[in-house]
Amino acid sequence: DIQMTQSPSSLSASVGDTVIITCRASQDISNGLAWYQQKPGKPPMRLIFAVSDLDSGVPSRFSGSGTGTEFALSISSLQPEDFATYYCLQHNYPPWVFGQGTRVDVK
Amino acid sequence: QITLKESGPTLVKPTQTLTLTCTFSGFSLTSAGVGVGWIRQPPGKALEWLGHIFWNDNERYSPSLKSRLTITKGTSKNQVLLTMTSVVPADTATYYCARFDGYTTSWSFDLWGQGTLVTVSS
Repeated sequence: DIQMTQSPSSLSASVGDTVIITCRASQDISNGLAWYQQKPGKPPMRLIFAVSDLDSGVPSRFSGSGTGTEFALSISSLQPEDFATYYCLQHNYPPWVFGQGTRVDVK
Repeated sequence: QITLKESGPTLVKPTQTLTLTCTFSGFSLTSAGVGVGWIRQPPGKALEWLGHIFWNDNERYSPSLKSRLTITKGTSKNQVLLTMTSVVPADTATYYCARFDGYTTSWSFDLWGQGTLVTVSS
């Protein structure tokens, strides 16, 4: 089974900062990688699919990159509504696997 | 408009069988590429993929839970059921259903239900 290692597990940032979250797969997963944002008490919301495609309505300050085994979610000019927990999802091979999550909080 | 909603018991006793229903609207589970899956999240912890069912009735399960899980289409065309046998307190979590449409956008979950909290306790 593919393992997903997401880092960091948490980070503190200020409004206006650029934040980068990474996910590493234990083997090549092609473009089978999505990113989700989750706020307390709410279901996850997909931000990015197929590594770098932005979902409709998602601000352009969110971007995804990577290939093979190394992937990143970047948030430029962090906004107050971006403080949340972020997860990657590997869906190229069963079993699908979520990363452990990255909590982004206020510095 | 696509919606999904989970329903079922909020409290289950250890060793019992848990059955949750996902009722959806705005899409068809008979359309090629479409699937509905289940994900859970213990309080304060990460998301865990449990499994999903495809439009063609194929199923996929988490290896660690496969012996205890069954995902089926309901008798109503807009429902998917999750059955988990022999529950233990560690199964306490918010359970989400979500859909994907692999031929239109991606083989990842694009829309989710609000989730239902299930507590396993005697």
